[in-house]
Amino acid sequence: EVQLVESGGVVVQPGGSLRLSCAVSGFTFHDYAMHWVRQPPGRGLEWVSLISWDGGSTYSSDSVKGRFTVSRDNSRNFLYLQMSGLRGEDTAVYYCGRDSLPAPGAIDFWGRGTLVTVSS
Amino acid sequence: EIVMTQSPATLSVSPGEWATLSCRASESVSSDLAWYQQKPGQAPRLLIYGAFIRATGVPARFSGSASGTEFTLTISSLQSEDFAVYYCQQYHNFWTFGQGTKVEI
Repeated sequence: EVQLVESGGVVVQPGGSLRLSCAVSGFTFHDYAMHWVRQPPGRGLEWVSLISWDGGSTYSSDSVKGRFTVSRDNSRNFLYLQMSGLRGEDTAVYYCGRDSLPAPGAIDFWGRGTLVTVSS
Repeated sequence: EIVMTQSPATLSVSPGEWATLSCRASESVSSDLAWYQQKPGQAPRLLIYGAFIRATGVPARFSGSASGTEFTLTISSLQSEDFAVYYCQQYHNFWTFGQGTKVEI
């Protein structure tokens, strides 16, 4: 069974840093690109970052570029999102998701999310 | 950035009726379009990819179609478990989501 479990979400002060983790199981992690998507409370989905299967390519939305860094450890089956310079508008549930092989770019499995709250 | 615009924001329907949800792309995305369902407190679920291909395990009452930059998700004979928020997403040029359509009773 495919499982993605996010962790690391906490309350953090503006300007602070945080690292989110996503533990995956049930599939061959290094075969797949992976996404981070976020959802502010009561609002819609916003794509954040993507990392290729080998970590050699990464992409980030303009809203987080230069502040967030996506990485992965294929030996441990973990995906990470290093967040710095956090702002109030970064408050959201952060989901990790598996990139679809039949349709690269679509997200076929999602974790349950972890809540990041940026507040003083 | 490709902007995805969904309409309507809210769709009120009765169980057993059909629902038609629209998604418009600001420029061509070919068929690189996915639909997701999200219920309260849950993660999104992939329903459709490639504009009209149902994901594994998705009931046949969900169907997708496309005409140029206009995409449609149709839910025939709505079941109680179908009341949720639906998002479209393009993955043709980077990745962007629409703002969602809430299907309510």
